[in-house]
Amino acid sequence: ETGVTQTPRHLVMGMTNKKSLKCEQHLGHNAMYWYKQSAKKPLELMFVYNFKEQTENNSVPSRFSPECPNSSHLFLHLHTLQPEDSALYLCASSQGTSGQETQYFGPGTRLLVL
Amino acid sequence: KQEVTQIPAALSVPEGENLVLNCSFTDSAIYNLQWFRQDPGKGLTSLLLIQSSQREQTSGRLNASLDKSSGRSTLYIAASQPGDSATYLCAVRNQGGKLIFGQGTELSVKP
Repeated sequence: ETGVTQTPRHLVMGMTNKKSLKCEQHLGHNAMYWYKQSAKKPLELMFVYNFKEQTENNSVPSRFSPECPNSSHLFLHLHTLQPEDSALYLCASSQGTSGQETQYFGPGTRLLVL
Repeated sequence: KQEVTQIPAALSVPEGENLVLNCSFTDSAIYNLQWFRQDPGKGLTSLLLIQSSQREQTSGRLNASLDKSSGRSTLYIAASQPGDSATYLCAVRNQGGKLIFGQGTELSVKP
């Protein structure tokens, strides 16, 4: 399998549930990202990891908890979400974070919070 | 604070037409600018990346230009095809390395 994969592709959860989104990259990259894409709004960067270390947290609420056990895997743990958190969550990876590299995106997880 | 705007929000054209998508940004201190394509329910595919020192990049029927001083970029698509139907996103990378996205232009090319 190549590129960036995300599971699940679709997720419906209640506000009291706990769920996790998974991202895996098969490109040998060192940096991974979580983005949120809400309807009619631009993509928003949530978190950046470089060599497994979090280098950016874009003022994301604590009900979103990222985890990066190694350079190939990235998780987003979800807990007590709100309906306004319903969105497409996209994972991306790049060789590094110097700014010259292209980011490669996964297909996203479509999340609906009821 | 950097803001990226894309006009129009949606565009419908007949097959074969040449078209231009516009992107503007408020802070000219960018590192590079990138155009992406997003198909419904799918992730983003990078189309063209223009470094701040460059004026344009070409790939097949696509040509992207960058005028950093005026804060503008255009994506030109020649001889459009139904397969070009998608949402096109413009993103600038600021000096801190973060990608700032526009809201996108939803393109529909009718056969």
